[in-house]
Order: sequence, then C-alpha cells, then structure tokens
Amino acid sequence: EIVLTQSPATLSLSPGDRATLSCRASQSVGTSLNWYQQRPGQAPRLLIYDASDRATGIPPRFSGSGSGTDFTLTISSLEPEDFAIYHCQQRSKWPHAFGGGTKVEIK
Amino acid sequence: EIKLVESGGNLVQPGGSLRLSCAASGDTLRSYDMNWARQVPGKGLEWVAHITASGDTKYYADSVRGRFTVSRDNAKNSLFLQMNSLRADDAGVYYCATHRSGIYYTWGQGTLVTVSS
Repeated sequence: EIVLTQSPATLSLSPGDRATLSCRASQSVGTSLNWYQQRPGQAPRLLIYDASDRATGIPPRFSGSGSGTDFTLTISSLEPEDFAIYHCQQRSKWPHAFGGGTKVEIK
Repeated sequence: EIKLVESGGNLVQPGGSLRLSCAASGDTLRSYDMNWARQVPGKGLEWVAHITASGDTKYYADSVRGRFTVSRDNAKNSLFLQMNSLRADDAGVYYCATHRSGIYYTWGQGTLVTVSS
C-alpha cells in the first residue's frame, strides 16, 4: 500500500505570501498525484490532477509539480480564500490513498 | 453539472448499523463510478469504498471490508453505504464523490456519523 506523507502539517503565512506544500510517496506513483482544497466546513474540491494539470476553474496562482515520489503544490500569492487544508492523493495503485493534509493558516 | 447530497448520518452505538445515502441531481448517476470517503474532523481523508457505474465491481478499504457494503440504484440516481458492526473508529464525516480514473471530481457536502454508547 502506498503511503503519502504531507509536510508541513501546518503552514502559517500572510495574504500575498507564497505557499509551498510537499507530498512524498512511499514508492513511485509516476505523475498520478492529485491535490484537493478543503475550505473550513466545506467538502474537498479538485485543484490539480496528474501532478500539474489544473482542474476546471482553478486560478493560475495554483500550480503543481513533481514526479515519482516527490510532489509540490505552490500557491504563488495567497488570497484570503486560499486559507484551507490541502490534501494530496495518489491514483497509481489501489487503494488510492490520501495524505494527512496540510493546513494553510493565517499568520 | 452533477450535485451530490448525502444523508443518513446519525449517532449509533458500537456494534450498530447505519445506511447512508447519496442523492444525485443535475446529471445521471449511471454515468459515473462512485466512491465513499470519510474524514475524522480535523484529520485527513480516508477512502472507504468504490463502485463502478454499472455496480458490477466493488472495492473496499481493509478497515471496512466485511462490514460495509456499497450499492447503487441508477434508476433512482442514488448511491448507498450500508455500515454494520460499527466501531468508534468509524466515526467521521462521510462523503460520496464521483470518480474517474482515480480522480475525485465532484464531492457532496458530507454526512456525520457518530459512534458512541
């Protein structure tokens, strides 16, 4: 079973800052890695699929990179609505596990 | 665009049963493979069960296999999760989501399951 480890657990930043979130897989998943955003009290929503492709309607300040075991989600300049929890998820092998999440909070 | 609404979450005693429902609107559910996932509030997401569009193939997380059963009624545009022998660690918010090629595209708002005596 593939295990995803996200770091840091919490990221304290200010609006306008750049956010860099990490997701590491216990074995290679190629580029089969997705990112989801979960705002407080809301369901998750798809942000990035296949490591670097933005989902429909996602603004360009969100970008994903990486392959193999190391992946990064970057938010170039944080907007107030970006303070949320971010989850990574691999789709390379069943079960399609999620990471533990990174909370981006207002500093 | 499909919209999903879960229901059926409740307080249940350990060892009890619950049946969750996921109702779709705006599109026909028969077009989609579907997943159930859950989340302890403040924690990460956990995949629970998967069912193909036709209902012919089902997968379960090891933690629920033998206790939970996923099913669907495409004529009623609905997805279900029958949960038996519930344990304290089954508590959380349960989400249904459309699933294609390992990507969760649309999620419902979730329904809360509490397991406590």
